[in-house]
Amino acid sequence: GNSVTQMEGPVTLSEEAFLTINCTYTATGYPSLFWYVQYPGEGLQLLLKATKADDKGSNKGFEATYRKETTSFHLEKGSVQVSDSAVYFCALSDYGSSNTGKLIFGQGTTLQVKP
Amino acid sequence: GAGVSQSPSNKVTEKGKDVELRCDPISGHTALYWYRQSLGQGLEFLIYFQGNSAPDKSGLPSDRFSAERTGGSVSTLTIQRTQQEDSAVYLCASSSGGGNTEAFFGQGTRLTVV
Repeated sequence: GNSVTQMEGPVTLSEEAFLTINCTYTATGYPSLFWYVQYPGEGLQLLLKATKADDKGSNKGFEATYRKETTSFHLEKGSVQVSDSAVYFCALSDYGSSNTGKLIFGQGTTLQVKP
Repeated sequence: GAGVSQSPSNKVTEKGKDVELRCDPISGHTALYWYRQSLGQGLEFLIYFQGNSAPDKSGLPSDRFSAERTGGSVSTLTIQRTQQEDSAVYLCASSSGGGNTEAFFGQGTRLTVV
């Protein structure tokens, strides 16, 4: 079945450091890929998405590229801020197969950015 | 409302009791999802509604779990005879439909079974 694997956290970085959170997936069909973020005390919210191979999603300085050849969707940011401290979830949806839109999530990666 | 609303925000119940969790999706959103977030299992899909019907219930962990949606809007997730392993945060999400669209999540209901 479909699955998502994320690098384990927590990840601790200093402000202005470069961030990479690895995400790989297993899926049939042509899923859409997402990164969701959960800030402390808040609900899950969409950070960025990509719907087909080689698409790049970007938002708030974060980027991720849909790589079909490596089945990956790694999240990157060039210079993190303290306000980026949160839990990040990689997810795929079943668009193109059953198309229910249900999300399969990775385990989540906690990012802590220190000033 | 402006976003997905869930109630209650916190619920403590005794083992063996039934609980009902409520979700008010964004107005006009035809798709509604329930997920469960727990320490050991991460974020798990439970059930998907399109309108009032549930074409995908594959994530419901046992027959103690059920859900319904009425009027294409409000949904209720019911857990009967609660067990300690049911303790988790239950999240509801809604979208305008299809696998390509953004799902908007509520703040969740934290359920603790004692």
